[in-house]
Amino acid sequence: AQKITQTQPGMFVQEKEAVTLDCTYDTSDQSYGLFWYKQPSSGEMIFLIYQGSYDEQNATEGRYSLNFQKARKSANLVISASQLGDSAMYFCAMRGDRFAAGNKLTFGGGTRVLVKP
Amino acid sequence: ETGVTQTPRHLVMGMTNKKSLKCEQHLGHNAMYWYKQSAKKPLELMFVYSLEERVENNSVPSRFSPECPNSSHLFLHLHTLQPEDSALYLCASSQDASTGNTEAFFGQGTRLTVV
Repeated sequence: AQKITQTQPGMFVQEKEAVTLDCTYDTSDQSYGLFWYKQPSSGEMIFLIYQGSYDEQNATEGRYSLNFQKARKSANLVISASQLGDSAMYFCAMRGDRFAAGNKLTFGGGTRVLVKP
Repeated sequence: ETGVTQTPRHLVMGMTNKKSLKCEQHLGHNAMYWYKQSAKKPLELMFVYSLEERVENNSVPSRFSPECPNSSHLFLHLHTLQPEDSALYLCASSQDASTGNTEAFFGQGTRLTVV
């Protein structure tokens, strides 16, 4: 079974500062993918960044970077230069690489980020 | 414009009503999903369709009935729901249901309230 844990239910960040959102995971799969999604108040889940378990370098996408520490089973999201529009819920998710029926995305409980001007 | 479109965005229904949620994806993906997002609970996978065939049903009550007529459309038929079924229902699609490196793209969700 796969499990994702996000220990920060909510946090404030000052505009233009960086923020780190924690994510730890548990899986018995040798190969897996880790994802971060943003969910603004409109409800849509917006894909932000992906990290493969065999990727040697940490993933980066614009202001988003993923601090992947495989031995510690953590995949923290770093948002640099926070903007007011970054205020949202952020979800960490993973998918195993096994061809199981319904190889599903497993989500964490989410972290609510509020950016202060 | 999002590649995954859900209608309606908001729905209020009585416990004796029958309604349907619709999801449409324009991304050429082969897999589609229904998720339920309740307050204070992680996202719960309800149904997975791969190439129009249902491959997983996570013990969802029979009052929820999915339908996938083709790879671009997914429906969730609702009947005799309970107030605890009130939630945000999210549809998603991905290129492939079986490999780990394909992200899912989500629609904006249908906010369902059962009264």
